[in-house]
Amino acid sequence: QKEVEQDPGPLSVPEGAIVSLNCTYSNSAFQYFMWYRQYSRKGPELLMYTYSSGNKEDGRFTAQVDKSSKYISLFIRDSQPSDSATYLCALYTNAGKSTFGDGTTLTVKP
Amino acid sequence: KAGVTQTPRYLIKTRGQQVTLSCSPISGHRSVSWYQQTPGQGLQFLFEYFSETQRNKGNFPGRFSGRQFSNSRSEMNVSTLELGDSALYLCASSLEGTGEEKLFFGSGTQLSVL
Repeated sequence: QKEVEQDPGPLSVPEGAIVSLNCTYSNSAFQYFMWYRQYSRKGPELLMYTYSSGNKEDGRFTAQVDKSSKYISLFIRDSQPSDSATYLCALYTNAGKSTFGDGTTLTVKP
Repeated sequence: KAGVTQTPRYLIKTRGQQVTLSCSPISGHRSVSWYQQTPGQGLQFLFEYFSETQRNKGNFPGRFSGRQFSNSRSEMNVSTLELGDSALYLCASSLEGTGEEKLFFGSGTQLSVL
């Protein structure tokens, strides 16, 4: 079983929809939770970063962490065609060990 | 500030050959990590270097190696290439490489092994 399981895609939504992207994990040592966005033929870029349970909001993006359930989510409000990309959850331990989800490819149709 | 630079962008090799990929981190960043990305396996951690020392290592065979120079630039080497080594190889840098730091990725080197 993988340490991090990410909801498989692909996901296709109409412009303006609310998107929910999810990951579950099994290792309690993970303390830092990040979401990266990766456009085709590019490296991942950091979108959201959090280390505590609860919600963190940044514009149209909200990252949610539930450490008790070992569940993290990324919500995108008012989705735009420019949000079409692959989204990766990434979890880190204190020792710097990083584990990424397999990614969910999102397409937002105009 | 310039981002993370990886060279070359594309590479085609044949089985049995070896390859060296290069990564220049963001100025001031001392930690460099390498990842392999494939459609089937996702993003897999290869190793991390800090101050010229390998500090963390993923579960890859010894054919995969790396090093870091005093200016923080890093190279990774893959010897005796196999078809399964075809992947996007990504380099990421951060200031100290601690868990709470953000990683900045380069655009990657797309390696094709024929």
